[in-house]
Amino acid sequence: DIQMTQSPSSLSASVGDRVTVTCRASQSIATYLNWYQQKPGKAPKLLIYAAFHLQSGVPSRFSGSGSGTDFTLTISSLQPDDFATYYCQQNYNIPYTFGQGTKLEI
Amino acid sequence: EEQLVESGGGLVQPGGSLRLSCAASGFSFSSNWMHWVRQAPGKGLVWVSRINNDGTTANYAASVRGRFTISRDNAKNTLYLQMNSLRAEDTAVYYCARLGAIWGQGTLVTVSS
Repeated sequence: DIQMTQSPSSLSASVGDRVTVTCRASQSIATYLNWYQQKPGKAPKLLIYAAFHLQSGVPSRFSGSGSGTDFTLTISSLQPDDFATYYCQQNYNIPYTFGQGTKLEI
Repeated sequence: EEQLVESGGGLVQPGGSLRLSCAASGFSFSSNWMHWVRQAPGKGLVWVSRINNDGTTANYAASVRGRFTISRDNAKNTLYLQMNSLRAEDTAVYYCARLGAIWGQGTLVTVSS
C-alpha cells in the first residue's frame, strides 16, 4: 500500500497568514493527488484534484503543487472559514489512501 | 444538483450484519465508479471499497475484504454496502462518494454489545 504522510499534524495560524501543508507519498504517484477540506460533522470537500487543479467554486487562495512523491497545499491568505482539517489522498493505486490529516487552528 | 444520500446505519452487535444504501441524483450514476469511505470517531478518512460503473469489478481494503460486499443497481441509481461479521473497529461514519467532488452526508455505524 502507498503510505501518505502529511505534515504538520496540526498548525496554529491567524487570519491573513500564508499556510503550507505538505504531503509525501511512499512511492511515486505522478500527479494522482487530491486535497480535501473537512469541517466537524461534515463530509470532505474537494479543493484540489490531480495535484494542482483547482476544483470549481473553490477560492483562488487555495493552490496545490508537486508531483512524484512530494506535494503541497498552500492557502495564500487565511480566512476565518478556512479553519478546518485538510487531507491529501492518492488515487494512483488501490487501496486509495489518505494522509492522517492536518488540523488548522486559530 | 449532484447529490448522494446514505441510509441504513445504526447500532449492531459484534458479529452482526448491516446493509448501507446510497441514493444518487443529479449526475450520471451509471457512468461513474463509486466508492465507500469511512471515518472512525475522531479519526481520519479511510477508503473502504469501490465498484466500477456496471458493477462487474470491485476492490476492497484489506481490513474489510471477505466481510463487506459493494454492489449497485443502476436502474435505481443506488449504491450498496453489505457489511457482515461486524467488529467494534468497524464503528465509523460511512460515506459514499464519487470520489472527488461528490460525497454523501454520511451514515453512522456503531458496532457494540
